[in-house]
Amino acid sequence: AQRVTQPEKLLSVFKGAPVELKCNYSYSGSPELFWYVQYSRQRLQLLLRHISRESIKGFTADLNKGETSFHLKKPFAQEEDSAMYYCALRGGGSEKLVFGKGTKLTVNP
Amino acid sequence: GAGVSQSPRYKVAKRGQDVALRCDPISGHVSLFWYQQALGQGPEFLTYFQNEAQLDKSGLPSDRFFAERPEGSVSTLKIQRTQQEDSAVYLCASSQQEGRKYEQYFGPGTRLTVT
Repeated sequence: AQRVTQPEKLLSVFKGAPVELKCNYSYSGSPELFWYVQYSRQRLQLLLRHISRESIKGFTADLNKGETSFHLKKPFAQEEDSAMYYCALRGGGSEKLVFGKGTKLTVNP
Repeated sequence: GAGVSQSPRYKVAKRGQDVALRCDPISGHVSLFWYQQALGQGPEFLTYFQNEAQLDKSGLPSDRFFAERPEGSVSTLKIQRTQQEDSAVYLCASSQQEGRKYEQYFGPGTRLTVT
């Protein structure tokens, strides 16, 4: 079965501090992993995907197949990073996304 | 250009009523998805269309839920005899085509409250 676990429901950091949002997945094949973000009163949008291996808004995420993890990291958090973050998986030839329950990140001034 | 739009944005229904939720995908997008997001949860897949063909409806929770996309563009999600557990935000997403490189673009959602 495909499953995505985000162990932290809430995460609070101070501006300028490093931040790491954890994501673990359960899938037997080669999945695609994504991070989606939802800012206050905005729609869900793609932040980054593992196949692109790029940095968006200072965020990076590395797929670790051994640990089945795809943690999202940023070295210096900004107040505008405050949002809901969802990790998602796609695999098995299916087009559907399987989402975790999300982590609410608050960056305090 | 215009993104995915959904209507109505908010819907209150009495238990037992039927509701219809509309999704207008981005023009030219072949794939269309419906997700259900309960309070405090991540979105959960309901169903998927490629053009007018419903290729996956494995996520529909019961036979009270029905989705269609008759002309391969606008889609409607219908819920018959609504129950309190149907209260959720219903998200629609579209993508240009199938496949790894195509991103799903989400609409603003319809918040359904069943009283």
